[in-house]
Amino acid sequence: EIVMTQSPTTLSVSPGERVTLSCRASQFFSSNLAWYQQKPGQAPRLLIYGASTRATGVPARFSGSGSGTEFTLTISSLQSEDFAVYYCQQYNNWPLTFGPGTKVDFK
Amino acid sequence: QVQLVESGGGVVQPGRSLRLSCAASGFTLSRFGIHWVRQAPGKGLEWVAVMSYDGSSKYYADSVQGRFTISRDNSKNTLYLEMSSLRPEDTAVYYCAKDLGSYPIFDFWGQGTLVIVSS
Repeated sequence: EIVMTQSPTTLSVSPGERVTLSCRASQFFSSNLAWYQQKPGQAPRLLIYGASTRATGVPARFSGSGSGTEFTLTISSLQSEDFAVYYCQQYNNWPLTFGPGTKVDFK
Repeated sequence: QVQLVESGGGVVQPGRSLRLSCAASGFTLSRFGIHWVRQAPGKGLEWVAVMSYDGSSKYYADSVQGRFTISRDNSKNTLYLEMSSLRPEDTAVYYCAKDLGSYPIFDFWGQGTLVIVSS
């Protein structure tokens, strides 16, 4: 099983700031990684897949990068609606596994 | 418009069984892989199970292997998760999610149904 870890656990930021979230995999794989955003009381929303491809309707301020074991989600200028928990997910191997999440909250 | 609606959650005693349903609209279930993903209260996401688009493949997380069974009724465009020998650690919101078709990436999710396993 590929174990996913994320850092930091919580990130306190102000609107307009640039945000970088990290995701690390316990095994090497190329780019079979997705990012999701989840707000309280809601289902997750797909943001990024293939490590760097934005899903339909996702604003351009969200970008993904990385390969191998290190991946990054960047929000270029945080908006008020971006305060949420962000999860990475690998789909290179079964079972599919998620990281524990990074909570982005208001400074 | 793609929509997934889960139902069947509730409170159940340890060791008992429960069946969840996931009714799809706006697309044909048998053309996509459909997954169950759960989230324990205040915790992260855990993938549970998948049925492939053609029904030929089913995969399960180790934590539910042998206790949960995924199935589908194409005539009703509905996916099911039969859960047996339930444990308190199965307590969670259970989401069904559609994948992109080419990869097990979840592009549409239901609103979830809460299962509480407690005596």
